[in-house]
Amino acid sequence: DMKVTQMPRYLIKRMGENVLLECGQDMSHETMYWYRQDPGLGLQLIYISYDVDSNSEGDIPKGYRVSRKKREHFSLILDSAKTNQTSVYFCASSLGDNYAEQFFGPGTRLTVL
Amino acid sequence: KTQVEQSPQSLVVRQGENCVLQCNYSVTPDNHLRWFKQDTGKGLVSLTVLVDQKDKTSNGRYSATLDKDAKHSTLHITATLLDDTATYICVVGDRGSALGRLHFGAGTQLIVIP
Repeated sequence: DMKVTQMPRYLIKRMGENVLLECGQDMSHETMYWYRQDPGLGLQLIYISYDVDSNSEGDIPKGYRVSRKKREHFSLILDSAKTNQTSVYFCASSLGDNYAEQFFGPGTRLTVL
Repeated sequence: KTQVEQSPQSLVVRQGENCVLQCNYSVTPDNHLRWFKQDTGKGLVSLTVLVDQKDKTSNGRYSATLDKDAKHSTLHITATLLDDTATYICVVGDRGSALGRLHFGAGTQLIVIP
């Protein structure tokens, strides 16, 4: 069963707290992504990971960092969360290249108060 | 600057009617274009991908066209069902390789009423 999972699904944090968003996939996909989705905007790429410990910044990496120690697992970390990081965060994975279909997780709705 | 524009922003149709969603883009180069469906509170699910200069695809009640000269794509939904209620997102890939980027539209919110 091809699946991308995200935990938690909902999270409320106070400004300045640290946030850890987890993503897992069971398809042995090399490439994984973190996006955020805000109302009225298209998804924006935060980070892309090409494989274990091979991560690159996306279009809006400021305020975020990532960790990929196993191929099936990709974490997004917010050190000292800010209110403007309130958003819905999506993880995705694909077989490798840009053309390959991306499989998306269900999203994590993060609210920073 | 937004490189992928979708119209209309939202659309209400009655069950059984057909509808057409539009996607205009300025992404260059434009390697491929993919349409996704996003149910409320869920992730994106791919409906179809278009690759050729002038391309057409069909997937059940969904059909799509791409004209790279015009940088324009359409998604047709035939005989809409209540379950078609969702946001439809147009995504343009600027490369076929992993070095490329995907450019996302903001989506068209489709509501199908009985």
